[in-house]
Amino acid sequence: AQKITQTQPGMFVQEKEAVTLDCTYDTSDQSYGLFWYKQPSSGEMIFLIYQGSYDEQNATEGRYSLNFQKARKSANLVISASQLGDSAMYFCAMREPFSGYSTLTFGKGTMLLVSP
Amino acid sequence: EAQVTQNPRYLITVTGKKLTVTCSQNMNHEYMSWYRQDPGLGLRQIYYSMNVEVTDKGDVPEGYKVSRKEKRNFPLILESPSPNQTSLYFCASSFSRQGASTEAFFGQGTRLTVV
Repeated sequence: AQKITQTQPGMFVQEKEAVTLDCTYDTSDQSYGLFWYKQPSSGEMIFLIYQGSYDEQNATEGRYSLNFQKARKSANLVISASQLGDSAMYFCAMREPFSGYSTLTFGKGTMLLVSP
Repeated sequence: EAQVTQNPRYLITVTGKKLTVTCSQNMNHEYMSWYRQDPGLGLRQIYYSMNVEVTDKGDVPEGYKVSRKEKRNFPLILESPSPNQTSLYFCASSFSRQGASTEAFFGQGTRLTVV
């Protein structure tokens, strides 16, 4: 079974609109961490935001926020006021204790295209 | 500047010719990992290392070797590359002491083509 599921292969949004990228996860651990990374066409992996399983508040970083619903095991990324430069592949990832937290398990990604 | 450096960035090679992709980090991180990225599959872990001389298999280790003789370096070795190892490879590193919260830093990626 997949540990990280991103159900949207591709998303389209107009500039200045908000967009939500979905991520659900599967773990039996109580302690885990959830991450979002951005991969532009140039290929590098850029860290965006982190949410810990014990964090009571949703994480925010500038225009990025993480809608964390623990009971539903979802960690959706919300990008407010989309910009053309947000066009990229977005990956959700999770750290768990089984590897001493050394392993990041990734979803298959969502390609976001922002149009003018 | 804190960074993870992979070399080479691009490599085209022939089936069976041994190759090494180097990875070096200057942040004194304990953890280092190798991932491969293939279209529609996301990033899959090949091997990881929790510290010097400590390595373990990830999800797709077949056809790869690694070593961790020094804390800063974590080379990926393909003893006999095959076309199905054509992929985009990433090295990543992170601290261990912060547990689940520790952010992973990625290298720029190595695009490998095996013909």
